[in-house]
Amino acid sequence: QSVLTQPPSVSGAPGHRVTISCTGSSSNIGAGYNVNWYQHLPGTAPKLLIYGNNDRPSGVPDRFSGSKSGSSAFLAITGLQAEDEAAYYCQSVDGGLGGPVFGGGTSLTVL
Amino acid sequence: EVQLVESGGGLVQPGGSLRLSCAASGVTFSYYWMNWVRQAPGRGLEWLSRVDRDGSRTDYADFVKGRFTISRDNAKNTLFLHMDRLRVDDTAVYYCARDVAADGRTDTYDIWGQGTMVTVSS
Repeated sequence: QSVLTQPPSVSGAPGHRVTISCTGSSSNIGAGYNVNWYQHLPGTAPKLLIYGNNDRPSGVPDRFSGSKSGSSAFLAITGLQAEDEAAYYCQSVDGGLGGPVFGGGTSLTVL
Repeated sequence: EVQLVESGGGLVQPGGSLRLSCAASGVTFSYYWMNWVRQAPGRGLEWLSRVDRDGSRTDYADFVKGRFTISRDNAKNTLFLHMDRLRVDDTAVYYCARDVAADGRTDTYDIWGQGTMVTVSS
C-alpha cells in the first residue's frame, strides 16, 4: 500500500483531457513537500514529467501540467494522444518516513 | 548524452546476495546524489536508497535497512547496490536514478537507467 494514493486507471478519448490525482497526508504533500510526476512505459526508463509541483523539464509538451492543493496533487493532460498511454507516478517526500515516496501509479488508456 | 546503465541482476535463491552496478556516462558523476528505485511485478515504483556526492552519507527505506548497502566509486563513475538476505518479495526491476541538482539534493530524478531484473526464487 503506497503512501501516496493514485487511482489505478484513467482513460480518455484522443484530444480530450484527463486528470490524475495523488492524495497524500500532512506528513508529505500536506507538509509542503514538492510533488514530481513521472511517465513510465513498460521496459523503459521512467521519465520526469513535472517537478516542483508544476514545472516542466525542457522537452515536455505544455499539454502536461501539475498542480497542488492541500494534501493532494494533480496531473492534467490535455489534447490526449495515443503516445500518452503509459503509467504515471506521483512522488514526494515524507517527513515521517524520512525519505522519498511514490504513488502506486495510474495507468492511462487512450480510447 | 547522459546515460545510466544498470547491470548485475539475475536469479538468486532466497537468503542469497547480489550486487548491482550502475555505470554513468556523459555526466560528471561525482556532482550528483544518486538513488536506487525498484518496481516489483504488477506494482508501482518504490524508492530504496540514496547516496550523497562523495559517498559519505547514505539513506535507506526502512524495509531494506540492514540488508541493502548503497555505495559509489566516483573514479569509475559507478553506483552500486549490495543486497543481502534477499527475499522473494525483493523480486523486481531495479533502477538507478540521478538527482536533478548538481549542487545539492532535491529528491527529484531526471535521469534513469533502463533497469536490471532481480528474481529471488528457489
